[in-house]
Amino acid sequence: DVKVTQSSRYLVKRTGEKVFLECVQDMDHENMFWYRQDPGLGLRLIYFSYDVKMKEKGDIPEGYSVSREKKERFSLILESASTNQTSMYLCASSFGDRGVEQFFGPGTRLTVL
Amino acid sequence: AQKITQTQPGMFVQEKEAVTLDCTYDTSDPSYGLFWYKQPSSGEMIFLIYQGSYDQQNATEGRYSLNFQKARKSANLVISASQLGDSAMYFCAMREGVGYSSASKIIFGSGTRLSIRP
Repeated sequence: DVKVTQSSRYLVKRTGEKVFLECVQDMDHENMFWYRQDPGLGLRLIYFSYDVKMKEKGDIPEGYSVSREKKERFSLILESASTNQTSMYLCASSFGDRGVEQFFGPGTRLTVL
Repeated sequence: AQKITQTQPGMFVQEKEAVTLDCTYDTSDPSYGLFWYKQPSSGEMIFLIYQGSYDQQNATEGRYSLNFQKARKSANLVISASQLGDSAMYFCAMREGVGYSSASKIIFGSGTRLSIRP
């Protein structure tokens, strides 16, 4: 089974803190994605990566950065957390041009106080 | 620009009835794929079904089928004989430019919360 894991299910941080969300997949997928999910808005793509050290902005990249130093790991970084970044964060991965679906991690619910 | 619209924020259905969840999309790319995902209260996203824009037949996976009407740009999910465990959020999603890695991103609709009554 494909497994996508995220470092935390729940996280509470303070405004201005630097926050790292980690995602690891074990299926040698080329593509990895970070979404945030908010009620009534569905999932919105923050950043994605289709290869090691490659990244592309999604629809809402402001306030976020990412890092992909190894194929299996994709990190989302909030340089200076703000209250409007309180959300559910979902990581996903997929094969590059062979696969159809994205496989999702369990999500991290981040609260910024 | 690509867009996915789900107009039903919530639905209530009696157990064992069939249910249709609506989804319309907008794209100018002739090559695209349409997905449905289920998100139970536990939070994980579960892939249900996929339809490619060039597929001649409607996709089916067990109790799930996708009613693909290309001219109308609709991709409704049909769940036959609903069960209590079907209660969840359901998201329609689309991917453009199927077949090359840099366009592997998917956009999602806002979701429909389905509640099955016993």
